[in-house]
Amino acid sequence: QMQLQESGPGLLKPSETLSLTCSVSGGSINSIIYYWGWIRQSPGKGLEWIGSVFHDRSTYDNPSLKSRVSLSIDTVGNQFSLRLSSVSAPDTAIYYCARHSLFHNYFDFWGQGIPVAVSS
Amino acid sequence: DIQLTQSPSFLSASVGDRVSITCRASQDIRSYLGWYQQKPGEAPKLLIYAASTLQTDVPSRFSGGGSGTEFTLTISSLQPEDFATYYCQQLNSYPLTFGGGTKVEIK
Repeated sequence: QMQLQESGPGLLKPSETLSLTCSVSGGSINSIIYYWGWIRQSPGKGLEWIGSVFHDRSTYDNPSLKSRVSLSIDTVGNQFSLRLSSVSAPDTAIYYCARHSLFHNYFDFWGQGIPVAVSS
Repeated sequence: DIQLTQSPSFLSASVGDRVSITCRASQDIRSYLGWYQQKPGEAPKLLIYAASTLQTDVPSRFSGGGSGTEFTLTISSLQPEDFATYYCQQLNSYPLTFGGGTKVEIK
């Protein structure tokens, strides 16, 4: 059974860069039919797709995040990562990583989520 | 961006009830819609994609319908484990977007 696990800091100060990693087990991240995505959830904005990365390092991301997002993938280590720069209070959320179907655009396997707070 | 509006936002029902949730898209998304269930403290779980295709291992009491701009999720006979929040997601185009959610609570 595929499992995803987020890791990273839970507390940041405004203007810092958030770095999260998603470790994948039970399957290879080097897939030609799945992207690997990040979604966040906050009380104010609900579920928000952040972006997704493919095994060839191509990416899609949400323009609403105004180019603050950087996505990367490590096919040898079977993990992928998110960097979100210049964080502020509205970036406080639970961050999920998930497997993203290339053909159907759904997210079928999710990590448990990692809470991230931005506070001075 | 494609906006998704769910109704109702909150639904109170009893075990055994038939319930339906509506998701309206701001533009035509054909059949490119998915539904998720989320319980407190857990990640969302995919129930349905392509508007009406049940994900593996999802009970048959769940069904989805619609196309274009109006979609429904129906639970034919509500079970205790179905009390949760439900979200729709458009699968049609980037950026991928989600509805605001419908919380189903016990009456």
